[in-house]
This record gives sequence, C-alpha cells and structure tokens, in this order.
Amino acid sequence: DTGVSQDPRHKITKRGQNVTFRCDPISEHNRLYWYRQTLGQGPEFLTYFQNEAQLEKSRLLSDRFSAERPKGSFSTLEIQRTEQGDSAMYLCASSLEWGRGADTQYFGPGTRLTVL
Amino acid sequence: QKEVEQDPGPLSVPEGAIVSLNCTYSNSAFQYFMWYRQYSRKGPELLMYTYSSGNKEDGRFTAQVDKSSKYISLFIRDSQPSDSATYLCAMRVQAGTALIFGKGTTLSVSS
Repeated sequence: DTGVSQDPRHKITKRGQNVTFRCDPISEHNRLYWYRQTLGQGPEFLTYFQNEAQLEKSRLLSDRFSAERPKGSFSTLEIQRTEQGDSAMYLCASSLEWGRGADTQYFGPGTRLTVL
Repeated sequence: QKEVEQDPGPLSVPEGAIVSLNCTYSNSAFQYFMWYRQYSRKGPELLMYTYSSGNKEDGRFTAQVDKSSKYISLFIRDSQPSDSATYLCAMRVQAGTALIFGKGTTLSVSS
C-alpha cells in the first residue's frame, strides 16, 4: 500500500493555459474524490467517482473544469483557460466502498497550482 | 453562515499541555465526524473518526461529538512539538458523500 499519489506536486502556469493533474488512488479503493484548498481554508469538495462513474459534482466545478476516471483506476482533473483564482492546492482522496474501514477518505499530498 | 465553523487560531501552547480544539455545525443531518491533521504543504491525514454522538479515544487523542449542541471537540493530551500542525474538522451526512471541512485551527506546541 503506497497511499494516494498525485502528479505533479507543483505546477506554475500562465493565465489562459490548460493544465492537467493526475491522481492514483490506493489500489483497491473504488471511490475517488477531488477537493480544492486555498490558503487559510479547509478543503472544498469538487467531484466524486465511484469506479468510472462520476456521481457528484460541486457547483464550484465550473465548465472550465473536467474530471475523468476512464478505467476506474487513476483519475485526471483538467482546468482549461486557467485564471488567477484557480491558484490553490488540488487534493485527491480515495476510499473503499465496502469492508473494514470503508469510506474513510485517505488524501494524497496534493498538487499546488500557481497561475501567474 | 458556513455549515461548519472552526476558529482558525493560531493556538500556541507549551509542551505537555492539554489542547482543546472545537467545531460547531449547523446541519443536523451530519452523522459522520472526523478530525484530520495537516502539516504544512502536505495532504490531510486522518486522526479520528466518529459516527453519531459519543466519545472516542486513541492514545493521546480524544474525540467528542455532541449532536444535541452541534458541537465536536478534539482533545490532545501531553502535547508534543510534533503535534504542531493545522487540525481540520470534517463531517458528512452519509457514507460516500463529500466531506464538509472547517477552516482548520493552526496549533503550535513549543518545547
């Protein structure tokens, strides 16, 4: 069990560029969550997958944001036409659906995005 | 009013002190309550998980949930410099749904 991993750990981009982040959940976890955390705030929910199905999206997830989990394993979060307000830490979490410790969300180290 | 309120601090205590961290919430439907610890520039790490009301103890940490008052607490006994971090409360209505976090309380334990 290597935990949740995220790549890249840091991303600096210019306003208007597109960026894509990757999350690899704990291997047997079928639930995967994306959160965004800005300085001095707690994480805010963006979207949630169960296997490959995207089951819930927050109103924070504007049309410029899209997330996928094509084979029910890793997930990608893409932000198109980045804005300075997108600068934040993007956190991924995963959990089991069933069994001992089910639905305890384990977080990755995050991807810190800076939009210049 | 936010669904979950948490005093951001900062809170500074000497080594060995008992620390009390608290959150209040407005949604009476919340049933699952968690405390996460987050070190600077790292992801949150789960410390305590409680379902419904009651107390739960794990080593130096005790979590309390009072649903009648919509109030949860985390107590840290014999605090250590390594406990210096931001503590986030989180809660949700049912399993499989998104966590709603407080802002986090920044704790500093001095030796």
